[in-house]
Amino acid sequence: DAKTTQPTSMDCAEGRAANLPCNHSTISGNEYVYWYRQIHSQGPQYIIHGLKNNETNEMASLIITEDRKSSTLILPHATLRDTAVYYCIVIGVGTQGGSEKLVFGKGTKLTVNP
Amino acid sequence: DTGVSQNPRHKITKRGQNVTFRCDPISEHNRLYWYRQTLGQGPEFLTYFQNEAQLEKSRLLSDRFSAERPKGSFSTLEIQRTEQGDSAMYLCASSWVAKHEQYFGPGTRLTVT
Repeated sequence: DAKTTQPTSMDCAEGRAANLPCNHSTISGNEYVYWYRQIHSQGPQYIIHGLKNNETNEMASLIITEDRKSSTLILPHATLRDTAVYYCIVIGVGTQGGSEKLVFGKGTKLTVNP
Repeated sequence: DTGVSQNPRHKITKRGQNVTFRCDPISEHNRLYWYRQTLGQGPEFLTYFQNEAQLEKSRLLSDRFSAERPKGSFSTLEIQRTEQGDSAMYLCASSWVAKHEQYFGPGTRLTVT
């Protein structure tokens, strides 16, 4: 699975958009980009995933560049409850016999300030 | 609440003792994963099951660790002869093979004294 690079930490003001970048320059054609977050003392929470098109759900939007070498997770109106560690994970999905296990890096610690 | 439950939530044990953790996944999910997380690090994959079959184990899973999922529903993770280095959060996740998002439980925090 491709390696990802994320900033160690970011700050955002409450009510503003939080834009979290992720580099995955070695991503291959069958690999998806997944985002999870982990609020302190809880298990990770799935946010969103995509292959090459931009995606949006009730939690966030995912923008993937045309060359697929990087992506940005957007929380449109950050709240204090969005303070968490955000993990960008690249994973091959649907490969025969694959476990599709998640390989977590250290993620980005997002702090939303009042 | 994701629907994945883990028990106990906290466990303190003395070095050398055996411990067992239980995970109850979302009922229709046929995949179940175990991860371990130490302070300041992201979770690390330990093992996974599809139905009752254990299909992959990490090198992190020493022979003191054993996991089972006997009827393809709940799973147990046992650590024998615990060591201080086993102190960590043990996380369970489940997914449906046709949809790849994993849903995590709250974890079991193990402290070995």
